[in-house]
Amino acid sequence: DVKVTQSSRYLVKRTGEKVFLECVQDMDHENMFWYRQDPGLGLRLIYFSYDVKMKEKGDIPEGYSVSREKKERFSLILESASTNQTSMYLCASRARGNNQPQHFGDGTRLSIL
Amino acid sequence: QKEVEQNSGPLSVPEGAIASLNCTYSDRVSQSFFWYRQYSGKSPELIMSIYSNGDKEDGRFTAQLNKASQYVSLLIRDSQPSDSATYLCAVRPMNTGFQKLVFGTGTRLLVSP
Repeated sequence: DVKVTQSSRYLVKRTGEKVFLECVQDMDHENMFWYRQDPGLGLRLIYFSYDVKMKEKGDIPEGYSVSREKKERFSLILESASTNQTSMYLCASRARGNNQPQHFGDGTRLSIL
Repeated sequence: QKEVEQNSGPLSVPEGAIASLNCTYSDRVSQSFFWYRQYSGKSPELIMSIYSNGDKEDGRFTAQLNKASQYVSLLIRDSQPSDSATYLCAVRPMNTGFQKLVFGTGTRLLVSP
């Protein structure tokens, strides 16, 4: 079974802080993704990566950056947290190949006070 | 027009009935299609994938794909209260280079005992 592990289930931070969300997958997947999910807005892609040190902007990259130094780990960084970044953050990974499904981690519920 | 559209519901069915969930997509040259189930406060969980026209059955679940009509559906037979969740349709369209999944906002299913 694919295992995608997010470092925290719940996180509370203050505005202006630099926040790191970590994601690790154990299936040697090439592709990794970061989403946020808000009521009524569904899943929105922030960034994705299709290889080590490679990254692509998703639909809402503003205020975020990412890092992929190792194949199994994909980090999301909130450079200067703001209250409008309070959300559920979901990491996903998938193998290369068009028919491969994405597998999600358990999510991190982030509150910015 | 949204890339992936679902009725938000809620869709209410009695226990034991068939639940029918529908999804339409706009990119005619989409490839893979997926259904995810998401319980409240949890992350999406893959339940079905389908790649070619027709039906695909897995236990109580049947996915149906009609590429000419740009329509994919999920049937849940013998619905159980434990099936109550939000069901997300996801499509991999060509206009993303087949790199990304585009998600609908989900249909909430309520199965009453």
